[in-house]
Amino acid sequence: QSVLTQPPSVSGAPGQRVTISCTGSSSNIGAGYDVHWYQQLPGTAPKLLIYGFTNRPSGVPDRFSGSKSGTSASLAITGLQVEDEADYYCQSYDTSLSWVFGGGTKLTVL
Amino acid sequence: QVQLQQSGPGLLKPSQTLSLTCVISGDSVSSNRATWSWIRQSPSRGLEWLGRTYYRSNWYNTYAGSVKGRITIDPDTSKNQFSLHLSSVTPEDTAVYYCAREDSDHYYFDSWGQGTLVTVSS
Repeated sequence: QSVLTQPPSVSGAPGQRVTISCTGSSSNIGAGYDVHWYQQLPGTAPKLLIYGFTNRPSGVPDRFSGSKSGTSASLAITGLQVEDEADYYCQSYDTSLSWVFGGGTKLTVL
Repeated sequence: QVQLQQSGPGLLKPSQTLSLTCVISGDSVSSNRATWSWIRQSPSRGLEWLGRTYYRSNWYNTYAGSVKGRITIDPDTSKNQFSLHLSSVTPEDTAVYYCAREDSDHYYFDSWGQGTLVTVSS
């Protein structure tokens, strides 16, 4: 049972928009800690995709965007491409457990 | 561009000690703008942060409660690397282990090692 809750899977057709939610609590997101998102392609390490809820590291396409709402965060991917098929994880800091991750969401591009 | 290169054995027997090393290039293990963590990933536990080492005039370590008492993370400034030691392993410790750099101003992991699959089996 992960501290941050994500849907196990989402799917969309090429060109469509999908969103992935990440729900926390008063000891992490609600305590004011940022949410970060990672993309993990099969057989590789997670790669930082979004930091501080909304910021993209250099080289990440602007098709990827993040947002915050209360004790939740969301990752949106527009103009879906086949190469976006991967697992996506949110991460934050928790006052009781230190760094915490969501359980991951598998994105399938139909 | 920071790069992290991991090494270490992939197969252990129960009760043995897991030891992995992460060599840093493009940054320093003594940097006062970063911390250096170990994270593992398994189907049953997902991504789990294990602990970190960092330098702020002195060396400090922080460990996750789930492994406290069994874990040690050691920096080696002469080789610009840091190591994970996890004692008394059981099959529950079977996972892919990653080293990672944390930007200490923002609490995210911006560089990761390639991962090492460690299997604990008799």
